[in-house]
Formats: sequence, structure tokens, C-alpha cells
Amino acid sequence: AQSVTQLGSHVSVSEGALVLLRCNYSSSVPPYLFWYVQYPNQGLQLLLKYTTGATLVKGINGFEAEFKKSETSFHLTKPSAHMSDAAEYFCAVKGTGKLIFGQGTTLQVKP
Amino acid sequence: DSGVTQTPKHLITATGQRVTLRCSPRSGDLSVYWYQQSLDQGLQFLIQYYNGEERAKGNILERFSAQQFPDLHSELNLSSLELGDSALYFCASSVAGTGGGYGYTFGSGTRLTVV
Repeated sequence: AQSVTQLGSHVSVSEGALVLLRCNYSSSVPPYLFWYVQYPNQGLQLLLKYTTGATLVKGINGFEAEFKKSETSFHLTKPSAHMSDAAEYFCAVKGTGKLIFGQGTTLQVKP
Repeated sequence: DSGVTQTPKHLITATGQRVTLRCSPRSGDLSVYWYQQSLDQGLQFLIQYYNGEERAKGNILERFSAQQFPDLHSELNLSSLELGDSALYFCASSVAGTGGGYGYTFGSGTRLTVV
């Protein structure tokens, strides 16, 4: 069965600093991996996804993630945080008939 | 606007009551997924429908049921409501059934409060 673990329920960075949100997955088959963002009182919005091919995936709003099979990781990064990046971020893996989400990481951006 | 429409946005009801949540998928999407989001359980998959047929079932209580209609909209019915059913209920849609690396498009959710 597939699963994801997000390391750190809260991450705080200063504006302009590197953002790194960690996600490790477990899958018995080549995984499809996703990052979603949820702003307050809104639904989830797809940031990026990895299916096959290039292991470095670029998404919206300057975010990118690298699929590392040897480390079973799919960490999300952004070189320079902006105040508008403050939100909750979810890593997900495609299971049978559904997306399986991690518990989420709340990103706080300090001025 | 994601293209997935959920109504109502907010719902307050008493314990023991029954409610219906509605979802219209994005145009062209055949699959509808229901998720429950709560502080203690996170995002929990409830059920999936594809072109009118149930395809996958998750942690859905027997008091809950869903269906997808010929026009592809879906309804989630919650009955004998308990305080613990208070949560945000999301609907998502995708073009595919079970396979492929398609992401889901989420609606803005229905916030259910049981008092």
C-alpha cells in the first residue's frame, strides 16, 4: 500500500529565505507524486506532479520538487519565500483509485 | 475558480439530522472523489465515482452514502449526524478512472458544523 510522510507539521522561514518542505513516500510500484497547496478557507490547488521522466519537476509560483528514488523522497523547494506562500502544503501519492495525502505542513513566512 | 463547484459552502445542523452535499465536476471530468478534512484526521478519502459507477471506497461510514448522476454531478449524503462529523468536505474531479498520473481538481469545500 502507498503512503506519504511529511516531516514537520510546521515550518517557519523568513521572507526571501529558502523554503524546504519534506516528503517521503512508500510505494510498491513506481509512484505518481503530487504537491498541493491550501490557502485559508480554500480548496487544494495542484502545485506540481511527478509521473515519469525528468526527476526535477517545476510547478507554479516558483516551486519545484525532485523525485529521488534512492531516498524515496519528493521534497518541495522554493529559492526565495514570499509572504503570499504562507499556506498549508500537502504531499500526495497516487494509490488505487485515490490520492493518498500526507498530514500537511503549515508554512509560516516571517517578514 | 477551479471549475469544481460545491454547494453549500457552509452548513450548520443538529445532531441526528441528515444533510446532502452537492458537487459538480469540472467540465470533461468523469471521476468524482469525496474527501473529509478534519484537524485530527487530516485529509481522508471517502469514495470515488467514475461515470456513474462506484470505483473505490475509503474510510466512509455506513451512515454516509454517495451517488453520481447521469449529468456527472455527485451528492454525498450524511445521516444520523454526530458532533464528530463536523469537518470540511471536499469534492475533487479528474478526467480518468483509476489509472494514470492525473491530478485532481478540488472544489472549495463544504464546511459542516454539527451542533
